[in-house]
Amino acid sequence: AQSVTQLGSHVSVSEGALVLLRCNYSSSVPPYLFWYVQYPNQGLQLLLKYTTGATLVKGINGFEAEFKKSETSFHLTKPSAHMSDAAEYFCAVTGGGADGLTFGKGTHLIIQP
Amino acid sequence: EAQVTQNPRYLITVTGKKLTVTCSQNMNHEYMSWYRQDPGLGLRQIYYSMNVEVTDKGDVPEGYKVSRKEKRNFPLILESPSPNQTSLYFCASSKRTNEKLFFGSGTQLSVL
Repeated sequence: AQSVTQLGSHVSVSEGALVLLRCNYSSSVPPYLFWYVQYPNQGLQLLLKYTTGATLVKGINGFEAEFKKSETSFHLTKPSAHMSDAAEYFCAVTGGGADGLTFGKGTHLIIQP
Repeated sequence: EAQVTQNPRYLITVTGKKLTVTCSQNMNHEYMSWYRQDPGLGLRQIYYSMNVEVTDKGDVPEGYKVSRKEKRNFPLILESPSPNQTSLYFCASSKRTNEKLFFGSGTQLSVL
């Protein structure tokens, strides 16, 4: 069984500022971790994923995330926010079992001009 | 183009009137899944399927049925819809459960 906690249902940053979206997970087996983004009126798109190997994962649109096993975290960052980053972001975890991904409740990212 | 196609995009119905939301993928994926998205609750899994004729319940299966008669199709059936099933529904597929999920565009269902 696995679970995901995303801290902060809404995060607001200024354009050009650092984006940090927090995700903590629980998994009884080595986890596979994902971040997905949902733009208004669209489905979800994969930003990045961690499977094994390098703990710092780079994704699309300048986002990256670091897998920290000791902290059971997989926080998402971007050095400089852009207006186009405004969206809903979901962290997800799976142990690779048949039940697939468990999603967090999402974080709505607001970019202020 | 690799895609997951859901239909319809929007649906308004009344309590008790059976409906089906279709889902089809063109990537030969073994794994398919249905989620519902509600404000403040994120995505919750309704049913999933590992392959043809293999389906299982997710976290919120009550009031829903699915079938997987062909690899590409995974319809979601609401035999007797109720207002608490008003939600945004997503179908998704992947080659394996630890790989990228491809999502459909969603179906916004309103049950009056």
